[in-house]
This record gives sequence, C-alpha cells and structure tokens, in this order.
Amino acid sequence: GIQVEQSPPDLILQEGANSTLRCNFSDSVNNLQWFHQNPWGQLINLFYIPSGTKQNGRLSATTVATERYSLLYISSSQTTDSGVYFCAVEQGYNQGGKLIFGQGTELSVKP
Amino acid sequence: AAGVIQSPRHLIKEKRETATLKCYPIPRHDTVYWYQQGPGQDPQFLISFYEKMQSDKGSIPDRFSAQQFSDYHSELNMSSLELGDSALYFCASSPSGTRMSDTQYFGPGTRLTVL
Repeated sequence: GIQVEQSPPDLILQEGANSTLRCNFSDSVNNLQWFHQNPWGQLINLFYIPSGTKQNGRLSATTVATERYSLLYISSSQTTDSGVYFCAVEQGYNQGGKLIFGQGTELSVKP
Repeated sequence: AAGVIQSPRHLIKEKRETATLKCYPIPRHDTVYWYQQGPGQDPQFLISFYEKMQSDKGSIPDRFSAQQFSDYHSELNMSSLELGDSALYFCASSPSGTRMSDTQYFGPGTRLTVL
C-alpha cells in the first residue's frame, strides 16, 4: 500500500516564528488533506489539496503531485498552533475513499 | 455550518462489555468513514459506507460491526471489548460517493476507555 512520511516528527518554535512541514507519499494520490489535531483530540481539517497551492490566513499549503510531496507552511506561529499536524492521502480512484495518515508532526509553540 | 456529530463523546466500559458509537454525518453527505486512533498513533481506517452499503473495510476486528441507516447516520458496534480497544474513534463524512474524491470532514471523536 501507499506510504506516507511526514517530517520533521517534532518541532519546537518560539511564538512568531515560521515553519514548513513536509509530507512525502509513495504513489499517485486522488486526495490529500492536512489536519491539525489539537490537544483535546479534535481533528481540524486545514486543507483539501491534491494539487496546487492554497492559503488560509497564516497557513498555506502546496502539493506537487508529480513529485509526490506536499508542504504546509505556518507563518507567525501562535501558541494555539500547538498540536499534531497530519497529512492524509487517498490512493487512486475507486479505492473506497479511505484516508491513509502519516505519523504526524508534533508542533509545540512556546510563548 | 453543521458538522459531523458523534455520540457519546466519552465512554467507559469494562472488559468483555459491548459498546455502540453513533455518527450523524453532515446533511446531504452520503458517505461515512470510521477511524480508530490509539494513544500516540495516527488514525487508522476501519470501515466505510456509501448509500447505506459497506464500501470498504480496513483493519476492523471481527468483534466490531457497523451499518449505515436510511437517514445516513451510522453506528459502530463493538463487542467483547478488550483493553486494546481503548482509543479515540472518529467518524468522517463526505458529500461524494466512492467514485469521486472529496474532502472528508471529521467529527469530534468518541473517546473509549476499556477498564
């Protein structure tokens, strides 16, 4: 099956710093989503981005499908950005739509 | 905007008991997915339904069963609970069937603790 690898596994930032999280996947994908899991366990959908670039406030994401990677940019980080960031992919069409998650990047933003 | 609703939010059970988790998808979403997230793990796909029919199955134990009802809500039934079943269970819904990809929207999860 498809492999999803995220880097770095952990990241500690000072408030106000910028960061880039990476997601590599081993095969072509039909869907790619970025999630933020907050300390209470809720999975917040950040982007649906199988290709191209999107921006939402301080967050932006880019997926280069031909090179099988996606990047999540966080600018001017805030303590509320802390949590685990997951990349998840759906492989190919008619695969049932299930998402395969990466292991996540745990982000801690210090005041 | 309406979101995915899951109930209960927290559940504590003893070993060998049964549990039923409920999921109410976003209105007009016809596809439901169930995921299990163990402590410190990433979410793992369990099972999905499209138009009330099972569409895909992942690493779901035989002790678990699920179905989607005529109003599109879904229930995950878990029997003979084991300590290892303690996890966060997410339900997600999407507006498309399995033939097209679309955003999956996740519910707040049910935290199951088996003692």
